[in-house]
Amino acid sequence: GENVEQHPSTLSVQEGDSAVIKCTYSDSASNYFPWYKQELGKRPQLIIDIRSNVGEKKDQRIAVTLNKTAKHFSLHITETQPEDSAVYFCAASSGGSQGNLIFGKGTKLSVKP
Amino acid sequence: DAGITQSPRHKVTETGTPVTLRCHQTENHRYMYWYRQDPGHGLRLIHYSYGVKDTDKGEVSDGYSVSRSKTEDFLLTLESATSSQTSVYFCAISERQNTEAFFGQGTRLTVV
Repeated sequence: GENVEQHPSTLSVQEGDSAVIKCTYSDSASNYFPWYKQELGKRPQLIIDIRSNVGEKKDQRIAVTLNKTAKHFSLHITETQPEDSAVYFCAASSGGSQGNLIFGKGTKLSVKP
Repeated sequence: DAGITQSPRHKVTETGTPVTLRCHQTENHRYMYWYRQDPGHGLRLIHYSYGVKDTDKGEVSDGYSVSRSKTEDFLLTLESATSSQTSVYFCAISERQNTEAFFGQGTRLTVV
């Protein structure tokens, strides 16, 4: 089955700096790669996703890149703000017909004012 | 927020007792998932469903069973709870394969 590795596990940046979180996946048939943000005590919520027919996608300060050949994808947050502090999870669809979703272990991002 | 409700929100139970967690949705979404969240492990898939009576195992299914007799309800059962099943359990739903998954509020389960 699918396996998703996520790095780093913790990341601390100064307000205004950029943050990058990287994930790799094992199943070459996977074709859907979402990113979720989870604030303390809250449920995970989707912030951006990308499909295998696209190499890059942007939404304001957030961007995701996908390299299918290398089987890795990354989340880029520019001009970080204290409210970006949270745990971020990457995920990949297993590629099977039932389409289950496998998550990485998460990255705790701290943005220091 | 998507119409997804988990019950109970908190539960303390004793080792060896059966426990059932309920996930209820009002969105008529086809896919439903149960995850557990533990420090250092992220979100791990327990079981998922791709239709009524259609379920399959996830990454950490041992000790858990599920049932989905109607579209709106997905039940997770711990047949005989153990301390290692102390966790926060999240249900999620999605309309189609490879689309946004919406999460419930979570259930904090403590097995003593």
